[in-house]
Amino acid sequence: GDSVTQMEGPVTLSEEAFLTINCTYTATGYPSLFWYVQYPGEGLQLLLKATKADDKGSNKGFEATYRKETTSFHLEKGSVQVSDSAVYFCALSDQNDKIIFGKGTRLHILP
Amino acid sequence: ETGVTQSPTHLIKTRGQQVTLRCSSQSGHNTVSWYQQALGQGPQFIFQYYREEENGRGNFPPRFSGLQFPNYSSELNVNALELDDSALYLCASRYGTEAFFGQGTRLTVV
Repeated sequence: GDSVTQMEGPVTLSEEAFLTINCTYTATGYPSLFWYVQYPGEGLQLLLKATKADDKGSNKGFEATYRKETTSFHLEKGSVQVSDSAVYFCALSDQNDKIIFGKGTRLHILP
Repeated sequence: ETGVTQSPTHLIKTRGQQVTLRCSSQSGHNTVSWYQQALGQGPQFIFQYYREEENGRGNFPPRFSGLQFPNYSSELNVNALELDDSALYLCASRYGTEAFFGQGTRLTVV
């Protein structure tokens, strides 16, 4: 079945460092791809999305490009802030519109 | 603010009891999904409703059931609670390809 694999955390970076969180997927057809963020004690917030190959999703300085050839959707940010500390989930929407999540990557940003 | 509201926010139940969790989604969002998120894990799909009918189910036993109502609210019912049912339960309403999640209900089974 469809699945999402993302790098395990925790990831610890200093403020203003460059961030990459790797995500690869296995899917039938051409799923939509998402990054969600979960702050402590809260639900999930959609961070960005891409619906077709080569699309780039972006929001709040974060970016991810839908790479069909490598089945990847890596999350990047050029300069992280302490407020970016959270858990990040890569996800896809399958043919039945079910969202399948990765296990999440916890990000700690040190001041 | 996603426009999706879940209640209660926290709940403690005893093993063997039954529980009902509620979700109110945005007007016009005809699809609602429920997810279980165990501690330190990604959300797992429980089931999905479209216009008050179940149209998808994950690997959860029948004691997990749901309802969707015409006013865009929905319920998740869990019977015969087990300790492993302790988790954050998330409701999501769909509009196009985008899902809007509520804050979740934290269920603890003791």
